[in-house]
Amino acid sequence: GAVVSQHPSWVICKSGTSVKIECRSLDFQATTMFWYRQFPKQSLMLMATSNEGSKATYEQGVEKDKFLINHASLTLSTLTVTSAHPEDSSFYICSASRGALGYGYTFGSGTRLTVV
Amino acid sequence: QQQVKQSPQSLIVQKGGISIINCAYENTAFDYFPWYQQFPGKGPALLIAIRPDVSEKKEGRFTISFNKSAKQFSLHIMDSQPGDSATYFCAASTLRGQNFVFGPGTRLSVLP
Repeated sequence: GAVVSQHPSWVICKSGTSVKIECRSLDFQATTMFWYRQFPKQSLMLMATSNEGSKATYEQGVEKDKFLINHASLTLSTLTVTSAHPEDSSFYICSASRGALGYGYTFGSGTRLTVV
Repeated sequence: QQQVKQSPQSLIVQKGGISIINCAYENTAFDYFPWYQQFPGKGPALLIAIRPDVSEKKEGRFTISFNKSAKQFSLHIMDSQPGDSATYFCAASTLRGQNFVFGPGTRLSVLP
C-alpha cells in the first residue's frame, strides 16, 4: 500500500514554455502532499506544501508565481513550472503521507526536468 | 534548530561488511526518525523508521540505533551488498508531519 505515482518521469522543454508535473496517491487519500527539488548529489529541498482545497504553502525563496501548485482532489496534486528557464532544470519529487500516525512519507519516483 | 546533520558524506564498504551512517538533530520536538534509500533517478524509498520511545529497531539487515539523550541516531547495514549501493538520507519530523527535515545524504558504495 501507500503508492505515489508521479508523471512524467522525465521531460524536456524549451525555454519559456510551461511544464506540468502530476503527483497521485493511488491507494490512499492525501490531504497534504509535498513538493521537493533535488540538485545532483544534494539532498531534497522542500519547495512547498500542497493542501487539498486550499492554497499551497511555499518555502522561503520559492517563487509561487513560477511554481504553481494545485491540489484539486485528495489524490492529485500538480506542480506547474511556468516560463521555464535552464536554471529550473532539476529533479522534482512529490511525497504524501497517509496520516499523522507515523506511517511516514511515500515519495513519487521523481521527474527529471531539462529546459533547453 | 531545524537541521539534521549526517555523516559521513560518502562511504565505501566491502561486500559483507557493516555500513554505519550517523545523524544528529537539535529540535527536541522531533519524534519520528525515518531513513530513506534513493537510487539514481528515483525517488527516495522508506527503509526503516524509529520513534524515540525505543533505542533500537531492526528489520532484516537494517538496524536503527537511537540515543535520545544525545539526540543522535544511526543506521547500520549488516552484511552489506553491492545492491545496497545508493544514497541514504536520514530525516526527522513530528508524527503530525510538521517540520519534516532531511539530512544531506550519504553516498554508499559497496564493493563486490
